[in-house]
Amino acid sequence: QKEVEQDPGPLSVPEGAIVSLNCTYSNSAFQYFMWYRQYSRKGPELLMYTYSSGNKEDGRFTAQVDKSSKYISLFIRDSQPSDSATYLCAIGWGDKIIFGKGTRLHILP
Amino acid sequence: DVKVTQSSRYLVKRTGEKVFLECVQDMDHENMFWYRQDPGLGLRLIYFSYDVKMKEKGDIPEGYSVSREKKERFSLILESASTNQTSMYLCASSLGQTTPGNTIYFGEGSWLTVV
Repeated sequence: QKEVEQDPGPLSVPEGAIVSLNCTYSNSAFQYFMWYRQYSRKGPELLMYTYSSGNKEDGRFTAQVDKSSKYISLFIRDSQPSDSATYLCAIGWGDKIIFGKGTRLHILP
Repeated sequence: DVKVTQSSRYLVKRTGEKVFLECVQDMDHENMFWYRQDPGLGLRLIYFSYDVKMKEKGDIPEGYSVSREKKERFSLILESASTNQTSMYLCASSLGQTTPGNTIYFGEGSWLTVV
């Protein structure tokens, strides 16, 4: 079983919809959880970062962690065409970080 | 804001050439990393460094070497470039080992084509 699994997509949704992006992980030792956004031909940029189970909100973005199920999600409300990008989850413990392969998201105007 | 700068964004090199990819970070981070990113394979760690003059192999170090002579600078070297090293290379940095939650910050990427 891979340490971090993420559906590659592509995921296409109409503008204004709520987007749900997900990752599962296998190692319960993971302590912190991140989401990165990567535009085409650019480096990944950090969107959200959290330690604990539960929800963390930042504007239109909500990161959700369920440690009991080893499942993390990123929700995007009121999605915009500018949200079209690849979203990578990243999960770590200590100084070790594992990245998902990313989900390609297309927001249709 | 953390800034990780990769000096070359787009390079075209010939097979067998020696290639240097340079990276500088401005936040006094202890850790620096080199990844390559390929479609369907995601991010793969090539080398990382926890301190000046220290280096550790990542998942795919073959064909690469690194140099870290100064804390802010981490160079990736392709000793003899091959076509299968055509890829996007990403430099990254993070705070020291003892800091919980070492969030990684990435540069813009260097697109290398080997012909």
